[in-house]
Amino acid sequence: GAVVSQHPSRVICKSGTSVKIECRSLDFQATTMFWYRQFPKQSLMLMATSNEGSKATYEQGVEKDKFLINHASLTLSTLTVTSAHPEDSSFYICSARQGSTGELFFGEGSRLTVL
Amino acid sequence: AQSVTQLGSHVSVSEGALVLLRCNYSSSVPPYLFWYVQYPNQGLQLLLKYTTGATLVKGINGFEAEFKKSETSFHLTKPSAHMSDAAEYFCAVSERGNNRLAFGKGNQVVVIP
Repeated sequence: GAVVSQHPSRVICKSGTSVKIECRSLDFQATTMFWYRQFPKQSLMLMATSNEGSKATYEQGVEKDKFLINHASLTLSTLTVTSAHPEDSSFYICSARQGSTGELFFGEGSRLTVL
Repeated sequence: AQSVTQLGSHVSVSEGALVLLRCNYSSSVPPYLFWYVQYPNQGLQLLLKYTTGATLVKGINGFEAEFKKSETSFHLTKPSAHMSDAAEYFCAVSERGNNRLAFGKGNQVVVIP
């Protein structure tokens, strides 16, 4: 099946720094990508919808200046957590929608720990 | 807005026994329904989905689920659990065609030898 890769899988950073997480569709073009956040023992929460070549659409309550999303190409979307704080520590998961079939494929997730 | 309820974060089942994971949804429009499985340190993998048509849906690895509109349910079953079924399972709902999924909290399945 189609593959979606996230990098890095784990990242530890100091409070106040910014962290970028990449989501790549390796063998298909993704017209739309989604970013989710998962807290321990809780469900995945949709943060934003990322469309290639346009601004991301953020869910209610998600700070767009805090979580910068860029979808510059049909195979890459990035999530940048700016001025990270310990409460931003979480598991971030992306999914990519295959343009030709409309099917969704998920990345392996990226665990962010902010000290 | 859609939502999903999965009760019981941890589910223990004996090897060879029936696996039953319950999912109830809330949606103001006809839903698309999904079950995903997540193995440790891996992404979510689609087990099965209901969009339209037959309400009993068969998926990979011997799993199936039945859409019951009257009960707003989409329970997942497998007749005989295997050790390799140990994983986390998520039920999800979306409005038809928009791919914006609302997930349940998940069930961690433990298979006892």
